[in-house]
Amino acid sequence: AQKVTQAQTEISVVEKEDVTLDCVYETRDTTYYLFWYKQPPSGELVFLIRRNSFDEQNEISGRYSWNFQKSTSSFNFTITASQVVDSAVYFCALSLGFGNEKLTFGTGTRLTIIP
Amino acid sequence: GAGVSQSPSNKVTEKGKDVELRCDPISGHTALYWYRQSLGQGLEFLIYFQGNSAPDKSGLPSDRFSAERTGGSVSTLTIQRTQQEDSAVYLCASSLTGSNQPQHFGDGTRLSIL
Repeated sequence: AQKVTQAQTEISVVEKEDVTLDCVYETRDTTYYLFWYKQPPSGELVFLIRRNSFDEQNEISGRYSWNFQKSTSSFNFTITASQVVDSAVYFCALSLGFGNEKLTFGTGTRLTIIP
Repeated sequence: GAGVSQSPSNKVTEKGKDVELRCDPISGHTALYWYRQSLGQGLEFLIYFQGNSAPDKSGLPSDRFSAERTGGSVSTLTIQRTQQEDSAVYLCASSLTGSNQPQHFGDGTRLSIL
């Protein structure tokens, strides 16, 4: 069975600070896919990024960056120079290969950016 | 283009009644998923439709829950004889075919059982 752990339940930082959200996953499959979703106060889940298990290259998109390390089964998410609009609940999720694409979610991290 | 559309946005019903929740996926998306989000259980997978294949029902919590997808597009999730523990936000998502395709979510239906 798959498992995703987000140990940080809530984080608060002052605006413009950097913040890292942790995600640790468990699976016995060698092929898997990792995702991050954002859920702002309005409620909709917004897709941010996906990574497959064969691609450990880190990615940067504007103020967002992701660090995928298979050696530690982690897929961490960093927001640089945080802004109030970044306040949301962030979910890490995992899915397996073709025919088993259902997402297993972590419990989420509630991020509050203090102006 | 239009995103995933779910209706109703909110549903309040009495314990024991049946409810139907509807999902219109993004046009061209062959995969459709239902999830449930509740305070106690977080985000849970319920059921998954992929093209004409038999659905993956492994996440349905009891036989009171069922879902169908007509014509490969619209899906309806039905809960019979609702219980208070069924209160949650029910989320629908759709995606293109393929293992690494991101799922795009609707705004959800907030279900409250009195």
